[in-house]
Amino acid sequence: GEDVEQSLFLSVREGDSSVINCTYTDSSSTYLYWYKQEPGAGLQLLTYIFSNMDMKQDQRLTVLLNKKDKHLSLRIADTQTGDSAIYFCAESPILTGGGNKLTFGTGTQLKVEL
Amino acid sequence: EPEVTQTPSHQVTQMGQEVILRCVPISNHLYFYWYRQILGQKVEFLVSFYNNEISEKSEIFDDQFSVERPDGSNFTLKIRSTKLEDSAMYFCASSQREYNEQFFGPGTRLTVL
Repeated sequence: GEDVEQSLFLSVREGDSSVINCTYTDSSSTYLYWYKQEPGAGLQLLTYIFSNMDMKQDQRLTVLLNKKDKHLSLRIADTQTGDSAIYFCAESPILTGGGNKLTFGTGTQLKVEL
Repeated sequence: EPEVTQTPSHQVTQMGQEVILRCVPISNHLYFYWYRQILGQKVEFLVSFYNNEISEKSEIFDDQFSVERPDGSNFTLKIRSTKLEDSAMYFCASSQREYNEQFFGPGTRLTVL
């Protein structure tokens, strides 16, 4: 079955770039997502990429996909204290009918220091 | 901005008791999901629901679990006889179409004693 792995913790200084990494195993066409979870809140979708793309940029966020290595990264430019949260990588294969099951990684705790 | 809501935010129950976790998905959404996260572990898929029936369920979703959309707004998860290992954060999600963004609720923390 699908599996998604992430490193558990990342600490950066305010203003630096953060890079959060993820690997996945699914070999089919798939969507890959980045979710953010702040304390006491639900999961907020930040961005997503389809597995036939290499890169997607959205304001401070850049997603890079290495299809050969099944490696996904999320780069946050000019990291702010408000970016401190847990970041989840998730993937969902393209199948027909009835829903879109997400498989999540363990989450990476991002801590932004002044 | 429309959002998914869940009640209660925290539920404490005794082992063997039945619990019902409630969710109000976003009103024009058609696909509904439950996920759970045991403390320190990954967020795990439980079940997806579309057109008034379960479309996919995981191995976790055994006969003790059921879902229902009793009216046009609520989506519930029932655990018939809770076990200690059911203690987790339970997230509800909904999406407008099959591969659209899933919007998550804030979660219900279930504690089984």
